[in-house]
Amino acid sequence: EAGVAQSPRYKIIEKRQSVAFWCNPISGHATLYWYQQILGQGPKLLIQFQNNGVVDDSQLPKDRFSAERLKGVDSTLKIQPAKLEDSAVYLCASSLVLRQGPMDGYTFGSGTRLTVV
Amino acid sequence: AQTVTQSQPEMSVQEAETVTLSCTYDTSESDYYLFWYKQPPSRQMILVIRQEAYKQQNATENRFSVNFQKAAKSFSLKISDSQLGDAAMYFCAYVSWNNNAGNMLTFGGGTRLMVKP
Repeated sequence: EAGVAQSPRYKIIEKRQSVAFWCNPISGHATLYWYQQILGQGPKLLIQFQNNGVVDDSQLPKDRFSAERLKGVDSTLKIQPAKLEDSAVYLCASSLVLRQGPMDGYTFGSGTRLTVV
Repeated sequence: AQTVTQSQPEMSVQEAETVTLSCTYDTSESDYYLFWYKQPPSRQMILVIRQEAYKQQNATENRFSVNFQKAAKSFSLKISDSQLGDAAMYFCAYVSWNNNAGNMLTFGGGTRLMVKP
């Protein structure tokens, strides 16, 4: 099966510019996550979608970050305006939602490396 | 809030030898899952092994095994017969399987594993 697709793979922007990332999860995976991974740290959840609804966005800096998942499939994450501290890898993941647990685990994309200069 | 701690920023092992990576977590939940993920330079998170908290038996996957100590909230990863391809960042992750909560992964800070030929 195809994996989680993300684009672009790399992006360099100046501070105060805007940027958007795209994610296409595994077909049939209802749950989609966006994680921010700063260099040398573990990923931190930004937002979780269940189909096209938001489950958790408590860690999303809503004054500059926004995300949507139209039609419950693809998702985009936007930053406007970007700050230097937004430099990080942005990982998208998807999973099946099963009552008995995440038996199939979580599948991650290769991420987008954002550099803000 | 759940936290995951990896106390070893870097570890080194000789090829063909055994290495153990440490992980501790803090939770008040009784139903949860623990994972070890490998992140090579390609940035994609690859599932190494998972453990269901209700299972007393430690999980094993070929050369990878865990030592799950539920009372101590400890979840270490043992890699036997280390290979050059095992060199990567390793992340311990936790998810609570509570129907009232989002089933998102919480990651530790990671351990960089180097394998010497």
